Formats: sequence, C-alpha cells, structure tokens
Amino acid sequence: GAVVSQHPSRVICKSGTSVKIECRSLDFQATTMFWYRQFPKQSLMLMATSNEGSKATYEQGVEKDKFLINHASLTLSTLTVTSAHPEDSSFYICSARDIRGDYNEQFFGPGTRLTVL
Amino acid sequence: DAKTTQPNSMESNEEEPVHLPCNHSTISGTDYIHWYRQLPSQGPEYVIHGLTSNVNNRMASLAIAEDRKSSTLILHRATLRDAAVYYCTKSGAGSYQLTFGKGTKLSVIP
Repeated sequence: GAVVSQHPSRVICKSGTSVKIECRSLDFQATTMFWYRQFPKQSLMLMATSNEGSKATYEQGVEKDKFLINHASLTLSTLTVTSAHPEDSSFYICSARDIRGDYNEQFFGPGTRLTVL
Repeated sequence: DAKTTQPNSMESNEEEPVHLPCNHSTISGTDYIHWYRQLPSQGPEYVIHGLTSNVNNRMASLAIAEDRKSSTLILHRATLRDAAVYYCTKSGAGSYQLTFGKGTKLSVIP
C-alpha cells in the first residue's frame, strides 16, 4: 500500500509559539490531503481539506488563521499551528488520497503528537 | 447526521470469527462504505471498502445489507494483533471526505 509520512512524530512547545507539521506522500501523488485532530479517547475530527495549488477548505469551527495549511506540491502538505496554546495539544493526523485509482482510498500518516506547555 | 453508528466495544476470543456491525441509515446511493482500524497513538489503517456487493480481501470481509443501511465487518480468525478501534465511515462520489464516528473498540482475549 501507499505510504504517508508525518514529521515530526511528536513535538513539545511553549505556549505562544508556532509549530509546523509536514505530511508527505512517499510513493504516490496526492492532489488532495486531509488534516484531522484527535483528542484522547475520542474519534478523528476532520479539520480541513487541502488541495494542491489552492486554498484549503476548513470545517466549521476550525480557525483558518490559527491552523495554516499549505499544499504546495503533489506530495507535501503542511499544517502550521500558530500561537499554540495548551488547548491545541492533540494528536494531528493527515491523510492523502491516491489519484491513480478510481476509488477514493485515503492513506493515513502515523500522526503527530503536539503538547503545548 | 452524516455519521455512522457502531457499538462502543466488543470482545472476541482469539482465533474465533468477529462480526463488527455498523449502521449507516442515511447512506445515499453513491456513498462508499469504508472500514479503518486504529491502534493507540497510530494513524488509521485501511481495512476494506465496498459500495453494494460483499467484498473480501486478505484482511477481512465486508457484508453489506441489501438496503445498504448497515454493514458488517468480518474478521475470520481474530488474532491479538486485531485488537484496535474499528471505524466504519462513508463518503460520497466526488467528495472524498471521511466522517468518523466513535468506532468500536475490539478486545481479543487470548
């Protein structure tokens, strides 16, 4: 199966700083990538849909100025959490849609654990 | 509500079959049904998907009700490595977004 990587796998930062998370599709091109957030013992919540070369589409309630998404190439999307606060601490997961198939299968990254002190 | 409904938890003995149910009563004719599973602190792993017909792959089988309002993921012989949270999701044609419900936490007893 296709592989999606995320970097870093975990990050600890001070309140008020910005953190960038990278999501890469390693062996396929992805015109569409998705960003999810997962709090402990809860399900995945879709934050935004990222399309290569265009602005991301954010879900209701997600602040686009706080969670900056850039999908500059067919293999890379980045999520920047700006001015992070303790309530932003969560598990952030990306997924990428493989454009080769006729089925919209999504491949998920391993996730990034963000802890804001 | 676009979400699916699953039991919170299920248990199975090792090497026995497991049937994980999912209700998706609001499904439309072009929605795919997907199943993913997630281990703690990992991203979800694709298990299987289907549209109308039952599906089999090396990991599992997917049985889809005739009215498509429910489906069942079948693990033919549960192993300890199958212990995970299993999510049933759906997505429509042209919209590749997946909406995750709470999932079913499967415990496998040795």
